[in-house]
Amino acid sequence: DQQVKQNSPSLSVQEGRISILNCDYTNSMFDYFLWYKKYPAEGPTFLISISSIKDKNEDGRFTVFLNKSAKHLSLHIVPSQPGDSAVYFCAASARWGGATNKLIFGTGTLLAVQP
Amino acid sequence: DSGVTQTPKHLITATGQRVTLRCSPRSGDLSVYWYQQSLDQGLQFLIQYYNGEERAKGNILERFSAQQFPDLHSELNLSSLELGDSALYFCASSAATGELEAFFGQGTRLTVV
Repeated sequence: DQQVKQNSPSLSVQEGRISILNCDYTNSMFDYFLWYKKYPAEGPTFLISISSIKDKNEDGRFTVFLNKSAKHLSLHIVPSQPGDSAVYFCAASARWGGATNKLIFGTGTLLAVQP
Repeated sequence: DSGVTQTPKHLITATGQRVTLRCSPRSGDLSVYWYQQSLDQGLQFLIQYYNGEERAKGNILERFSAQQFPDLHSELNLSSLELGDSALYFCASSAATGELEAFFGQGTRLTVV
């Protein structure tokens, strides 16, 4: 059962345009969401996160939007740059107790930004 | 550099063998997670340790086991290896509380032949 879904395996955008990466989840217990970026032969790198008490979080060119009723989140990159080309993973977590808990990852979206 | 160190970077072994993957978390992080990434797959959660204790378990096979030592480094043991175990194995660590962002190592690429 895939609790976190990224239905677009790939996305191609022009440099300078907006990239929108989507993610859906099924578990209503998830209350924290993260985006990771991964280059080939490297580990995933944390990009941006959002708590379920918010609907938007912005960090420079990256903005994450959360729609709890639709169980949907999206990552917007504006403007897109060729260096943004990577695989983007959406991840979700549910906090239980006081310690950090496991992240459930989607299958990733390969973003290609064309110069 | 995430601060998480995994060794070895590459491992080639034969079916039926046993291997040990090692992870040193970021300084001060108490939680260690192991993930498996097979070809064209997402990151599958295997197991989490927190301050030496098993905290959460995912779809980890019985042939696989892990532990976290008093110095907080962790080892993932894979035994009776099969061709299908070939994958990238990532370790991640995070602080004890207040932070859910996990920091990943560069991974160990395991090839079973």
